[in-house]
Amino acid sequence: EAGVAQSPRYKIIEKRQSVAFWCNPISGHATLYWYQQILGQGPKLLIQFQNNGVVDDSQLPKDRFSAERLKGVDSTLKIQPAKLEDSAVYLCASSLTSGSTDTQYFGPGTRLTVL
Amino acid sequence: AQSVTQLGSHVSVSEGALVLLRCNYSSSVPPYLFWYVQYPNQGLQLLLKYTSAATLVKGINGFEAEFKKSETSFHLTKPSAHMSDAAEYFCAVSENSGYALNFGKGTSLLVTP
Repeated sequence: EAGVAQSPRYKIIEKRQSVAFWCNPISGHATLYWYQQILGQGPKLLIQFQNNGVVDDSQLPKDRFSAERLKGVDSTLKIQPAKLEDSAVYLCASSLTSGSTDTQYFGPGTRLTVL
Repeated sequence: AQSVTQLGSHVSVSEGALVLLRCNYSSSVPPYLFWYVQYPNQGLQLLLKYTSAATLVKGINGFEAEFKKSETSFHLTKPSAHMSDAAEYFCAVSENSGYALNFGKGTSLLVTP
């Protein structure tokens, strides 16, 4: 079974530029998550989708971050414009449903460096 | 909101020694608790999870954790460390409804020969 795919794996941009990350969840998984992991910290949830609807985006900085999950499969996360503090690893995860005990499967992440 | 605290950002053990990684949770309701492992340049992999069934939970790679309500703890243990266990370990908690994982800051495990 293929895992969660993410691209690109690494991205370096200058502040005020824009960047987009792509995630392909495990086939059949209804729930998709984006997490931000700053160096030395645990992952922090940015947004959660159930199919193509947003369940929780309370911690998403909506003035610069946006995310979509068209057709309830792939998802993109965009940052525009980027700030220095956005340097982090962006992890995508998926689960079969949104049940509290469902296992979340994580992709390898995209490491973003903002200069 | 529920949260977890991982005591010790770095833990070093000798190969073959006991591994003990500490996690305490804060919750006003029975929590769901998880341990994840992250190897360098890889995503997180689930080691084990507590879902209010048995308090002693066995996971992959010989790890286990015990839920202790009186101590609000969910410490991760392994009887004998292996070099391949060197990684970052994260404790996480989720609420009963929905599934937003709140992670601790992580503990880096170093295994020395």
